[in-house]
Amino acid sequence: SAVISQKPSRDICQRGTSLTIQCQVDSQVTMMFWYRQQPGQSLTLIATANQGSEATYESGFVIDKFPISRPNLTFSTLTVSNMSPEDSSIYLCSVEYRETRETQYFGPGTRLLVL
Amino acid sequence: AQSVTQLDSHVSVSEGTPVLLRCNYSSSYSPSLFWYVQHPNKGLQLLLKYTSAATLVKGINGFEAEFKKSETSFHLTKPSAHMSDAAEYFCVVRSYSSASKIIFGSGTRLSIRP
Repeated sequence: SAVISQKPSRDICQRGTSLTIQCQVDSQVTMMFWYRQQPGQSLTLIATANQGSEATYESGFVIDKFPISRPNLTFSTLTVSNMSPEDSSIYLCSVEYRETRETQYFGPGTRLLVL
Repeated sequence: AQSVTQLDSHVSVSEGTPVLLRCNYSSSYSPSLFWYVQHPNKGLQLLLKYTSAATLVKGINGFEAEFKKSETSFHLTKPSAHMSDAAEYFCVVRSYSSASKIIFGSGTRLSIRP
């Protein structure tokens, strides 16, 4: 099974600051995604992290607010920029492997509180 | 455009009785459909998926779902509920249209009464 880690697991931040979340996978994956899960809500896809090129953002999410990097096939970062209390959420990364196409494996999530 | 609707925000059943969690979808293209489960303070886990093969899909922990194109439904069922089934369940639709989209339903919280 997939081993996916996220750092930090949780953080409390001041408004106006930025936080970078890391997602590390134990082996090479084909797809990496970033989601947001607001309190008591479902998951919303933020973007697909593309290796070696710009991420593909979903409607309502922009690169200036959520810059994403994916320098290789096992690692990605999501930055939440210029944070406001509305950014308080759980942020999750998920991955797909070539062998189990379309099955997403989720990381444990990063719980963010913005004051 | 595509969407997914989970018809019940909360379902409560007695242990040992059948479970039915309802999901309807809308998609302009042939979609792939999934059910994920999220236990309290645990990560999301795939229960089962439909990707245009058999319409009746069997998953883990005794769950199954049937893809009904005419009804645009993908309801999740289990013959006999167990206390460990208490969790949040998400129906997910994925379509490879011009813009690949993964959309999660709003979720159904399943409670099991002893």
